[in-house]
Amino acid sequence: EAGVTQFPSHSVIEKGQTVTLRCDPISGHDNLYWYRRVMGKEIKFLLHFVKESKQDESGMPNNRFLAERTGGTYSTLKVQPAELEDSGVYFCASSQGHLNTEAFFGQGTRLTVV
Amino acid sequence: SQQGEEDPQALSIQEGENATMNCSYKTSINNLQWYRQNSGRGLVHLILIRSNEREKHSGRLRVTLDTSKKSSSLLITASRAADTASYFCATVHTFPSGTYKYIFGTGTRLKVLA
Repeated sequence: EAGVTQFPSHSVIEKGQTVTLRCDPISGHDNLYWYRRVMGKEIKFLLHFVKESKQDESGMPNNRFLAERTGGTYSTLKVQPAELEDSGVYFCASSQGHLNTEAFFGQGTRLTVV
Repeated sequence: SQQGEEDPQALSIQEGENATMNCSYKTSINNLQWYRQNSGRGLVHLILIRSNEREKHSGRLRVTLDTSKKSSSLLITASRAADTASYFCATVHTFPSGTYKYIFGTGTRLKVLA
């Protein structure tokens, strides 16, 4: 069974450009999460989808970030326009709809804004 | 407020020694989970302990949970060089809507010297 996959693994863009990150969760997992880790700091929650609905987007930094999950399958996270402080590793995770279960993580996308 | 603050931030030990990492959190939880991240990889789930449990074992891992002190510890016995990684605790919180999310801390960087 395929795990959570993220694309691209690395992205280097200039300030002001647009980048779109993609996450394919494990098939059948309704819950999809986006997290970000900046330079050794905590893994910060960004948002949570249940199927195609945004359940909690309280961690989204600002309106330059837009997440979508069309049809409740894969998800994209777009940053437009990118700023230097957006650099970090963006993780996607998925889980089944049960409380006492683990989250399965992708390998992350390392975003560098120069 | 940040949940799941790990302590120490970095730990260096000799192979064969035991490694202990601690995690503190602020609000009530449903369960607490420990994850490992190898450099450049995604997070991998290690162990889950429910709020009504006090101790749990899995191979060389031992996790304790003290809900009165809002803290947990992860003990890795007889450490190996392959245990070198960052370790994160994640607290799981539910909301009135029935949804839940995982909140991570800054992690403990463990280095096991051969």
